[in-house]
Amino acid sequence: QVQLVESGGGVVQPGGSLRLSCAASGLTFTSYAMHWVRQAPGKGLEWVAMISFDRRGEFYADSVKGRFTISRDNSKKTLHLYMNSLRGEDTAVYHCVRGLDGVTGAGGLDVWGQGTRVTVSS
Amino acid sequence: SYELTQPPSLSVSPGQTASITCSGDDLENKYVCWYQQKPGQSPLLVILQDNRRPSGIPERISGANSGTTATLTISGTQAMDEADYYCQVWVSGTVVFGGGTKLTVL
Repeated sequence: QVQLVESGGGVVQPGGSLRLSCAASGLTFTSYAMHWVRQAPGKGLEWVAMISFDRRGEFYADSVKGRFTISRDNSKKTLHLYMNSLRGEDTAVYHCVRGLDGVTGAGGLDVWGQGTRVTVSS
Repeated sequence: SYELTQPPSLSVSPGQTASITCSGDDLENKYVCWYQQKPGQSPLLVILQDNRRPSGIPERISGANSGTTATLTISGTQAMDEADYYCQVWVSGTVVFGGGTKLTVL
C-alpha cells in the first residue's frame, strides 16, 4: 500500500517550534524529491519546501525561509520539517508530498499524505 | 514573485464540458500540473506536464497550455467531478499554485 504518513502536528504558541515527520511506505522514496505543502483552514494550497532526492538541493517559500528547515533520511524513508519562530499564519494542515522529479518541482506531485494539523495560538 | 490566476468558481450542468483556466506570464514555457481536491481529502494529481494523465485518470479529463493560459477540460462532467481544482508550476526554484477553482455540478 502506497502511503505517506505525517506526524508531529499540534498546538504551539507563537514563537515556538515544532518538528513534523513523514514516513513513506510502499513506494519508491530515494529517487524522488519530497515536498511539504500546507493548507490553511478554508484556503488554497501553499507550497512550503522541497528537498531533492540526494539532499543536495533545498528550496523554500519566501514565507518560511530562514524559519523552516527540510531534511530527509533515505535509509529510513523519512522526511522532516523543522519549524521555528512559528506565527499565527503558519496554522494549517501540512502535507508530505512526493515529487515526480528528483531535483525540481517541475514533474508534478503524485503522492500526498493525509496531513498533520498545526495550530499556532496562545 | 510569480502568480497563477484562476477563476474562484465555475458551475456546469451534468454532461456539459467544464473548462477551468489558469493564467500566468509566459506560461506556455512552463509545465503545468493540475490537482483535484474533494472535501476532506488530499489533492489528487490529474494532469502533469500540461496534458499527460496519470494512471487511473479518465480520458474525459484533459489539459492544454498555450500562450499565457493553461486549461483543464472535463468533458461529460459528472457529480463526482465536483471539487476544487488547482494549477501548479515550477518557477525559479519554487512550486507555485494557483488560487484554486471550485467546480460545482448543478
